[in-house]
Amino acid sequence: NAGVMQNPRHLVRRRGQEARLRCSPMKGHSHVYWYRQLPEEGLKFMVYLQKENIIDESGMPKERFSAEFPKEGPSILRIQQVVRGDSAAYFCASSPRQTENEKLFFGSGTQLSVL
Amino acid sequence: DQQVKQNSPSLSVQEGRISILNCDYTNSMFDYFLWYKKYPAEGPTFLISISSIKDKNEDGRFTVFLNKSAKHLSLHIVPSQPGDSAVYFCAARAGGTSYGKLTFGQGTILTVHP
Repeated sequence: NAGVMQNPRHLVRRRGQEARLRCSPMKGHSHVYWYRQLPEEGLKFMVYLQKENIIDESGMPKERFSAEFPKEGPSILRIQQVVRGDSAAYFCASSPRQTENEKLFFGSGTQLSVL
Repeated sequence: DQQVKQNSPSLSVQEGRISILNCDYTNSMFDYFLWYKKYPAEGPTFLISISSIKDKNEDGRFTVFLNKSAKHLSLHIVPSQPGDSAVYFCAARAGGTSYGKLTFGQGTILTVHP
């Protein structure tokens, strides 16, 4: 059973370009979460999605960031017009259900570097 | 506003000894706490968790202690092994929020020397 798959592992963009980060949850998991880790900091929650629905986007920056989890295919985190401050590791996590003791399974992350 | 704090950036321990990693929190709404371990170039891996209705949870070499009055939790690893060398993150979840919406501390780098 493959784990959470994220690609690309490394992504380099110039300021003003768009970044698209992809996440395929573990088989059987319908809940997807995106987290961002800035240098020297812990992971920070960005957004929680289920298939075709955004459940909680309270951690998403108001502009330039969007996320989707379509009926078919991976979840996508999209960053438009990237700036240097967007450079970070972006982690996706998934879980099969919503229960109190549910734990998240994380992917290996995408390291975004903005030049 | 750092609601979960790990004040020790790093910890160095001899193999076979006990490792104690500490975590403090400020949000009284947190009711579930987790520890994750992270190796370089990998995502965090779940280690152990504890509900606020308990004060201790044990799983093999790992024990988590929760002191609600002090808003403090700790992870004990006994005995420590070189393979335990990693970054350890404390995380917390507030009641009434999505189960996967966690607040993480900054992490503590644990190094276990042979």
